[in-house]
Amino acid sequence: DQQVKQNSPSLSVQEGRISILNCDYTNSMFDYFLWYKKYPAEGPTFLISISSIKDKNEDGRFTVFLNKSAKHLSLHIVPSQPGDSAVYFCAARNTGNQFYFGTGTSLTVIP
Amino acid sequence: DAMVIQNPRYQVTQFGKPVTLSCSQTLNHNVMYWYQQKSSQAPKLLFHYYDKDFNNEADTPDNFQSRRPNTSFCFLDIRSPGLGDAAMYLCATSRDTLAGAATDTQYFGPGTRLTVL
Repeated sequence: DQQVKQNSPSLSVQEGRISILNCDYTNSMFDYFLWYKKYPAEGPTFLISISSIKDKNEDGRFTVFLNKSAKHLSLHIVPSQPGDSAVYFCAARNTGNQFYFGTGTSLTVIP
Repeated sequence: DAMVIQNPRYQVTQFGKPVTLSCSQTLNHNVMYWYQQKSSQAPKLLFHYYDKDFNNEADTPDNFQSRRPNTSFCFLDIRSPGLGDAAMYLCATSRDTLAGAATDTQYFGPGTRLTVL
């Protein structure tokens, strides 16, 4: 039972344009949401997060939006750069310190 | 500086031969996690330690055990590996946050890729 879903396995975007990665979840008890970036042969690294009490968090080129009523969050990267090419995982945490991950979206930024 | 270290990076074992994967951290985080990730799938939480308290996921096979002798180290023991246990195993840590102060994330190691022959 996949509680966190990333329905797009891959995404290609032109350099300089906006990348939008989407994530849906099913458990309304999740209180914290995160995005991780993963390069080949490395573990996931934290990118940006958002608490369930907020609807937007911004950090430089990265913005995460949370729509609790739709149980949906998205990551916006603007402008996209070739170095952003990686696999992006969405994750959600419940109050029991358990994290649930999506299957990832492979982003390719084309120079 | 490496903060979450996993050894070895690549492990080959034989069907049914016990294997231990290790994880160490320099962050002094009180929570440590083990995930299994198979190709094109989401990392799947196997269990986590909250300090010394062990928390097993309901669907984690009995074949998988864990030990945490101290804050810095955590081990994943696979008692009788099967072909289906071949995967990337990720260790992660986090600092516990009290309810209402959810600001901390997880820090991952590079993973150990397990091959079962």
